[in-house]
Amino acid sequence: KAGVTQTPRYLIKTRGQQVTLSCSPISGHRSVSWYQQTPGQGLQFLFEYFSETQRNKGNFPGRFSGRQFSNSRSEMNVSTLELGDSALYLCASSSRRGDPLQGNEQFFGPGTRLTVL
Amino acid sequence: LAKTTQPISMDSYEGQEVNITCSHNNIATNDYITWYQQFPSQGPRFIIQGYKTKVTNEVASLFIPADRKSSTLSLPRVSLSDTAVYYCLVGSSGNTGKLIFGQGTTLQVKP
Repeated sequence: KAGVTQTPRYLIKTRGQQVTLSCSPISGHRSVSWYQQTPGQGLQFLFEYFSETQRNKGNFPGRFSGRQFSNSRSEMNVSTLELGDSALYLCASSSRRGDPLQGNEQFFGPGTRLTVL
Repeated sequence: LAKTTQPISMDSYEGQEVNITCSHNNIATNDYITWYQQFPSQGPRFIIQGYKTKVTNEVASLFIPADRKSSTLSLPRVSLSDTAVYYCLVGSSGNTGKLIFGQGTTLQVKP
């Protein structure tokens, strides 16, 4: 079974631009979560989608948004990019709605490395 | 989520057994203990999860004492490829699908 895939793997943008990142979960998985990882802040939760509905959102500004399609694929968008948005953006999928710390394991993709100049 | 404390970094040599301890004094009755591994520029990978006593899989063992206020991840005979950051997570996300990662322990395996 193929793992979580993320495209593109690397991206360079300039301040003020917007970007869309894509995540394809493991086949059959319906929950998709997004995380941002930076050297200073570590891994931080952005949001989670299940059956096309956003269930939970982290403490990020409204410039960060996402959506999930009927086939469970997900996209996240960042508008008006800032230098501080440079990070590794990770997507994780799990098979069902549930607690990833109670047996509902999350499977992470390789990430998209975004550089904002 | 229970607050966890683990060493910032550890060094080891190939072939040695590595034990990484995580303290979680305010663990709740229903909380599980989960460990993730992350290689540079990759997403975290689930290693092992347990509730009490000992859990073993093909990658690692997890030792949890009776009071469950700490846990130890044991990696047998490490190799250079085990160099990674190891995260200890404890608690419940309340079905939010949200994981909260701390600083983790950076394990450096030397030849």
